[in-house]
Amino acid sequence: DADVTQTPRNRITKTGKRIMLECSQTKGHDRMYWYRQDPGLGLRLIYYSFDVKDINKGEISDGYSVSRQAQAKFSLSLESAIPNQTALYFCATSDLTGADGYQETQYFGPGTRLLVL
Amino acid sequence: SQELEQSPQSLIVQEGKNLTINCTSSKTLYGLYWYKQKYGEGLIFLMMLQKGGEEKSHEKITAKLDEKKQQSSLHITASQPSHAGIYLCGADITLTGGGNKLTFGTGTQLKVEL
Repeated sequence: DADVTQTPRNRITKTGKRIMLECSQTKGHDRMYWYRQDPGLGLRLIYYSFDVKDINKGEISDGYSVSRQAQAKFSLSLESAIPNQTALYFCATSDLTGADGYQETQYFGPGTRLLVL
Repeated sequence: SQELEQSPQSLIVQEGKNLTINCTSSKTLYGLYWYKQKYGEGLIFLMMLQKGGEEKSHEKITAKLDEKKQQSSLHITASQPSHAGIYLCGADITLTGGGNKLTFGTGTQLKVEL
């Protein structure tokens, strides 16, 4: 079974609709992230959470909100979807490792492909 | 602004050929990650480099971080169709308030022809 799962894998929605993308992990990591990937722009960070009570905005948080329901679950919501939110969305988890607690490898889910018409 | 530049943007090689992908930063890299992405799938962690001059290998893939820690290269020896995909470099960026996030290059799309 995959360590990081995302649902749905594909979604088509209309402008103005509210949608939620869900992410679950079985790695036991405290840190979770939401990214979006656009052609030519790479991956950009939307929101991140270091634990259930710690949620922070990333570089492109406008138009999005998140909820960390539990250590294992981190949901991304588009309050009122617009066409330029069409993208591939990735959830990732990480935990600090290494003697100095610095090394941080992020593990990614399979992605959710979202199309906003 | 894009902090990591990858080159080339795309690459087509014949099976069995060697290839190199580069990742360059304008800032010192404190953690450089290489990921591979196949179409419709998530990112698969390949390796992480932290020290200047460090080199790591995984099967036929070798990654190096230069002494100045501003450039990394990914080298594939004797490429195979299974190597096809998008290769992304990512770097640790310190977040305000602590912790790190990854910033990514735009990726290099690799196709391996038979």
